[in-house]
Amino acid sequence: EPEVTQTPSHQVTQMGQEVILRCVPISNHLYFYWYRQILGQKVEFLVSFYNNEISEKSEIFDDQFSVERPDGSNFTLKIRSTKLEDSAMYFCASSESVASDTQYFGPGTRLTVL
Amino acid sequence: KQEVTQIPAALSVPEGENLVLNCSFTDSAIYNLQWFRQDPGKGLTSLLLIQSSQREQTSGRLNASLDKSSGRSTLYIAASQPGDSATYLCAPEGSSNTGKLIFGQGTTLQVKP
Repeated sequence: EPEVTQTPSHQVTQMGQEVILRCVPISNHLYFYWYRQILGQKVEFLVSFYNNEISEKSEIFDDQFSVERPDGSNFTLKIRSTKLEDSAMYFCASSESVASDTQYFGPGTRLTVL
Repeated sequence: KQEVTQIPAALSVPEGENLVLNCSFTDSAIYNLQWFRQDPGKGLTSLLLIQSSQREQTSGRLNASLDKSSGRSTLYIAASQPGDSATYLCAPEGSSNTGKLIFGQGTTLQVKP
């Protein structure tokens, strides 16, 4: 069964460093998302992406964050200058279409900022 | 701004019981609502999606209902099993048509053998 994959499973970085989290969505899906979950808190929406453009972003998704689909299979989230409060589990998700389709989530990347 | 609340926060039951998990949301202008399962330290597994025009959706021992006008959804689990132990998350999708899901805090379920 097709699934969303994410690498790395765990990333440790120093405050102020740039990180890139990688995702491979399900191959025939057109809509892509990033969410994050700080330990013990709710899952929070970061950004939705379609047709090489951001469809919507949350207040969390400030200028330090960017997303890219560099080729036909990968979807990346970049954090330019990490802060301690960026430590969280980051989930990538994809769906065939938006507003009526199930979103399928990857296993997540645990980001630890020291 | 959409707020999602799930009650109860935690539930511990013996195996075989039928369960009802509750979800309420403040903005009834939603496209759909998804129920997910999250195992500790893992990703989210989609269980059911209910379109805003539907009243309920069933998959195996799971049945989800939606009352959009009152801002409520319930997840019914029949004949619970220890393997059902997990956190269950409710997530309505807003009317912006961008796929944005707003999650509740979840109900953590423990089913004891």
